[in-house]
Amino acid sequence: AQSVTQPDIHITVSEGASLELRCNYSYGATPYLFWYVQSPGQGLQLLLKYFSGDTLVQGIKGFEAEFKRSQSSFNLRKPSVHWSDAAEYFCAVAHSTGGGNKLTFGTGTQLKVEL
Amino acid sequence: NAGVTQTPKFRVLKTGQSMTLLCAQDMNHEYMYWYRQDPGMGLRLIHYSVGEGTTAKGEVPDGYNVSRLKKQNFLLGLESAAPSQTSVYFCASSYNGPTRDFGPGTRLTVL
Repeated sequence: AQSVTQPDIHITVSEGASLELRCNYSYGATPYLFWYVQSPGQGLQLLLKYFSGDTLVQGIKGFEAEFKRSQSSFNLRKPSVHWSDAAEYFCAVAHSTGGGNKLTFGTGTQLKVEL
Repeated sequence: NAGVTQTPKFRVLKTGQSMTLLCAQDMNHEYMYWYRQDPGMGLRLIHYSVGEGTTAKGEVPDGYNVSRLKKQNFLLGLESAAPSQTSVYFCASSYNGPTRDFGPGTRLTVL
């Protein structure tokens, strides 16, 4: 069964500092990987996704993520964090591109930004 | 486009009461989903639908029922609410892929 681990429950960074949120997945075949962001009191918004091709994917709001098959990881990065990035971030994995397939979420990483 | 909307935004129930959560999407999406979000547990799939008139169980279906009589609507019902169903409920939809469009959520408290 597929699973996703986000080892960091909370992360605090200073505004302007770089950010890396970790995500490890467990799935035997080629995974389809996602990062979503949830601002307080809001639904989830897609930041970026990886299906195939270039292992470094760019997303919205200046985020990027790199797929590393050898490490079963899909870490999210941002070179300079803004106070508005404070939110909860979820990594997710799917096992196919079909709409009815299972999308498994990690437990989330809460990001706090210090001014 | 309103996207995915959910009604109501907040609700408080007493144990044993029933209620229905409504999800609507105006994007002509085939697939619709109901998730619950609990602290430290991420999102878990309750039920989903792959098209009008269809429903299927997800990871945590017990205590919930769903219906998809119209393509644009997906209803989640709690027949006899329990405190363990206190959660934030999210509806989502997709056209033909794993990417989901999420609604704003419904915060439900069962006393």
